[in-house]
Amino acid sequence: AQTVTQSQPEMSVQEAETVTLSCTYDTSESDYYLFWYKQPPSRQMILVIRQEAYKQQNATENRFSVNFQKAAKSFSLKISDSQLGDAAMYFCAYDDMRFGAGTRLTVKP
Amino acid sequence: ETGVTQTPRHLVMGMTNKKSLKCEQHLGHNAMYWYKQSAKKPLELMFVYSLEERVENNSVPSRFSPECPNSSHLFLHLHTLQPEDSALYLCASSQDRGTGNHEKLFFGSGTQLSVL
Repeated sequence: AQTVTQSQPEMSVQEAETVTLSCTYDTSESDYYLFWYKQPPSRQMILVIRQEAYKQQNATENRFSVNFQKAAKSFSLKISDSQLGDAAMYFCAYDDMRFGAGTRLTVKP
Repeated sequence: ETGVTQTPRHLVMGMTNKKSLKCEQHLGHNAMYWYKQSAKKPLELMFVYSLEERVENNSVPSRFSPECPNSSHLFLHLHTLQPEDSALYLCASSQDRGTGNHEKLFFGSGTQLSVL
């Protein structure tokens, strides 16, 4: 069974600094997709970034980028130039079936 | 109205009540999902409908009964719930639900359910 682990229940970052959220997963598949979702206090989860496993290049979306290490089954999210609006719960997901328990990110002004 | 809309936003019910959660998507998607979100636990996929046919049912107790009358609407009928069923119930949609499950999900704001 595929499992997703987020080892950091809470993280904190200073505004304008960079923070990295960790995610590891377990799978026997070779082709799959990984996702990071953000859940602000409004509760509505939105997609931050998506990575296709067969692609070597790490996905980037503006200030958000991933460090995808397929052999290590690691999929971390880097947020650069952190903003107050980045404060939220962040969930790592394997396809649409397996989610991590989330990391609560606090951004300090 | 655009996106995925869930009603009600909050719901308190007794264990003997029957209630329904509603989800509506205005994105023209073909797949709809119910998830359960409990504090400090991973999101749990409950049901998936693709083109109005149920394609996933993850060992959910029969006291939860989904209904998908068309591709835009999804319901979750609740009866004889237990206090441990208290959680945030999230609805989501995606363009399709083909092989590989690689579509990105669009979520509603959820229904916060409390069972007394």
